[in-house]
Amino acid sequence: DAGVIQSPRHEVTEMGQEVTLRCKPISGHNSLFWYRQTMMRGLELLIYFNNNVPIDDSGMPEDRFSAKMPNASFSTLKIQPSEPRDSAVYFCASSFGFESGGELFFGEGSRLTVL
Amino acid sequence: GENVEQHPSTLSVQEGDSAVIKCTYSDSASNYFPWYKQELGKGPQLIIDIRSNVGEKKDQRIAVTLNKTAKHFSLHITETQPEDSAVYFCAAPGGSYIPTFGRGTSLIVHP
Repeated sequence: DAGVIQSPRHEVTEMGQEVTLRCKPISGHNSLFWYRQTMMRGLELLIYFNNNVPIDDSGMPEDRFSAKMPNASFSTLKIQPSEPRDSAVYFCASSFGFESGGELFFGEGSRLTVL
Repeated sequence: GENVEQHPSTLSVQEGDSAVIKCTYSDSASNYFPWYKQELGKGPQLIIDIRSNVGEKKDQRIAVTLNKTAKHFSLHITETQPEDSAVYFCAAPGGSYIPTFGRGTSLIVHP
């Protein structure tokens, strides 16, 4: 069974460009999370969806960041315009029943470098 | 929200030694405490978890202990092997159920 699939694995872009990261969660999972990992701040939750609806986006840094989940099998995280400080590894994770202690299954991440 | 502190940030041991990583949390509503292992170039993966109704759980060379009164929990790895080298994260959900992660511990096992 395929795990969480993220694309692209690596993205190098110039400041000001639009970046779109994609995620396909595990089939049957009803919750999806976007995390950002940096050396300085560790793993930070950006946004969380439950049944395709955004529940908590308090971790989204600013209006340049947006996330969508048009259906149960696809989500995007968009940064527009991108800045060098957005450079990080972005992880998508999915889960079923995490409210009662369910495991989060992470993708392999998208490493973003903004020059 | 939940605040999770994790120590040490780096841990270097010789193969065969034991390793202990400690975490504290702030929200007394937390009742589920997972540990994740992240290998280089990969996403974190759950290795063991413990719920608040038990004080200890063991799975082969890995064990986790929980002290709810003191709000701290620890990961214990015995007979470490080079393949245990990775970054380990603790997490606690707080009242929101969403895991807040510690800053991570880089474990290095020297052959």
